[in-house]
Amino acid sequence: DAGVIQSPRHEVTEMGQEVTLRCKPISGHDYLFWYRQTMMRGLELLIYFNNNVPIDDSGMPEDRFSAKMPNASFSTLKIQPSEPRDSAVYFCASSRGQASLNQPQHFGDGTRLSIL
Amino acid sequence: SQQGEEDPQALSIQEGENATMNCSYKTSINNLQWYRQNSGRGLVHLILIRSNEREKHSGRLRVTLDTSKKSSSLLITASRAADTASYFCASGNTPLVFGKGTRLSVIA
Repeated sequence: DAGVIQSPRHEVTEMGQEVTLRCKPISGHDYLFWYRQTMMRGLELLIYFNNNVPIDDSGMPEDRFSAKMPNASFSTLKIQPSEPRDSAVYFCASSRGQASLNQPQHFGDGTRLSIL
Repeated sequence: SQQGEEDPQALSIQEGENATMNCSYKTSINNLQWYRQNSGRGLVHLILIRSNEREKHSGRLRVTLDTSKKSSSLLITASRAADTASYFCASGNTPLVFGKGTRLSVIA
């Protein structure tokens, strides 16, 4: 089975530009999560979806961040306009069912984003 | 907070030694999960222990859970250089919320 696929793996862009990160979850998984990892703050949950519906976006830092899941096999995280403090590694994860029902999360290898 | 908190922050051992990492959490749980992150990669699920279990083994991994103390430990026996990674725990509630992890360095 293919794992969670994220693209691009690396992105370097100038501040003010729009950035779009992409994620393909594992087929059959009904939960999708977006995390951001930095040395200072560790791994932060940004938003998660259940059956393509956003459930909790309280971790999204600002209105500059938006996430969509148009179908069960694709999600995007968009930053517009980007700022240097958005530089981080962004992870997408998916799961089949809830963690409380003993389901693990499966992570992609992340997108390393650098905003100059 | 549902966050797991790992301790110590960093651990350095010689190959062949055992490594023990601890985790504390604050809420009641159905399970507790441990993950490993190699440099430049995503988190990988290692092992899940249910709230009615006290100990669980998987290969060289041994996990314990003490729900009265809201704590768990991960023991890696006979460590190898390939075990060098960061290790995270998360209490089994959706969504999983992670601490900053334990950075384990195994020196050959």
